[in-house]
Amino acid sequence: QQPVQSPQAVILREGEDAVINCSSSKALYSVHWYRQKHGEAPVFLMILLKGGEQKGHDKISASFNEKKQQSSLYLTASQLSYSGTYFCGTDRYSGGGADGLTFGKGTHLIIQP
Amino acid sequence: GAGVSQSPSNKVTEKGKDVELRCDPISGHTALYWYRQSLGQGLEFLIYFQGNSAPDKSGLPSDRFSAERTGGSVSTLTIQRTQQEDSAVYLCASSSWAKGPNYGYTFGSGTRLTVV
Repeated sequence: QQPVQSPQAVILREGEDAVINCSSSKALYSVHWYRQKHGEAPVFLMILLKGGEQKGHDKISASFNEKKQQSSLYLTASQLSYSGTYFCGTDRYSGGGADGLTFGKGTHLIIQP
Repeated sequence: GAGVSQSPSNKVTEKGKDVELRCDPISGHTALYWYRQSLGQGLEFLIYFQGNSAPDKSGLPSDRFSAERTGGSVSTLTIQRTQQEDSAVYLCASSSWAKGPNYGYTFGSGTRLTVV
């Protein structure tokens, strides 16, 4: 089952914060987050494993609540370089993504100066 | 290589023709994945290879699609008798799960397939 991402699109001013949500109808063992800029390959941001641990680097962080089968990606003090489409990927089976991921339809993030 | 390499980057073909798309993963990455990305859609899983094990073909949309991976490295995705609905960007990714679960996928730049 494909995870559901929200919002579908968001437009921010530079310096504002954003939250992107990813919900699944099935139990999760891991959630991956990727960013894709127009015409480029998706780039891995982070993986969250079962345990609810929040991870992050720089001003991008994420949380994983396996009880609610949800993950959220937080972008604080957004920069122009954060623009792109963000995808969450959830396990196809229980291998933490090793045997493939099912991706959401993506969230388009536009950062304006 | 330094990254995942895909060729060709663009392919225009006539309806009914066969096409082959190539993926050269990062050296040492045992896992290889093919995804399809259509306009406005997410990434659709097609097939997964792990080392020399039999591939997981459960995402292939029809029997016109097939893939192989030679020597645990280079992979070729073949689409026979192409249809217009096959038009999409085909992405290949590789990963090294032997290092642990904290490594994600490295994607190639994709092959944009247009069936006319």
